[in-house]
Amino acid sequence: EPEVTQTPSHQVTQMGQEVILRCVPISNHLYFYWYRQILGQKVEFLVSFYNNEISEKSEIFDDQFSVERPDGSNFTLKIRSTKLEDSAMYFCASSEPRVARSGNTIYFGEGSWLTVV
Amino acid sequence: LAKTTQPISMDSYEGQEVNITCSHNNIATNDYITWYQQFPSQGPRFIIQGYKTKVTNEVASLFIPADRKSSTLSLPRVSLSDTAVYYCLVGVPYNNNDMRFGAGTRLTVKP
Repeated sequence: EPEVTQTPSHQVTQMGQEVILRCVPISNHLYFYWYRQILGQKVEFLVSFYNNEISEKSEIFDDQFSVERPDGSNFTLKIRSTKLEDSAMYFCASSEPRVARSGNTIYFGEGSWLTVV
Repeated sequence: LAKTTQPISMDSYEGQEVNITCSHNNIATNDYITWYQQFPSQGPRFIIQGYKTKVTNEVASLFIPADRKSSTLSLPRVSLSDTAVYYCLVGVPYNNNDMRFGAGTRLTVKP
C-alpha cells in the first residue's frame, strides 16, 4: 500500500536554529498538508498546499513557517528560528486529486518528532 | 467549518462492540465524515468515510442518520490492539482544505 514517508523520524535542535522536515507524499496525490501534535494534545492543522501554493493555513502557521515543493516528489516544512514550544510531532499528509461526488481521504505519514532544546 | 463533538474517553472489554458517536450539527451539504485512528507516536490512520446512511468495510461500520448531524463509528468485537484515540473529521479536502481534528475519543479496551 502506498504511504507517505517522512524524514527525519526524530530531530533535536537548539533554540533559534532552522529546521527542515521532509516528506514524500503518495505519488499521484496533489494535495499536501502539514499537521503537528504537541505531546498529549490533539492533532493541529498547520497548512495545506495545492498547485504549488498554500491553500489554507491556520493561525499557528505564522512567518516562522514555510512550505515548499522543491521538486516533483518532496514536500518540506521549514521552521525558522525554532522555539521551545515548537517541540512536537509533525505529520505530513497527502490526498488524492479531486473526484466528483466522493470524499477524499487524507493519508498521514508516521511523523517527525522535533525536540527543541 | 463544521465543528465536531465526541466523548473524551470510553472504556470497553475485549470482544465487545464499541460505538463512538460524533456530533456535527453544522455539517455542510458537501461535507463527508471521516474517522481516523491514532496510536501513540504514530500518524492518524484512515478507518472509514461516509456521506449518508451506512458504510461498512473490513474494519468498521459508519452509521449516519438522515439529517447528518451526527455519525456513529462502530467497531465490532474490539481487541486490546484497538486501544487508541479515534477522531471524527467533517469536510472535504478538495473543497475545505482546512481539515481540523477535534480532541478525539480515547478508547481503552480492557482484557
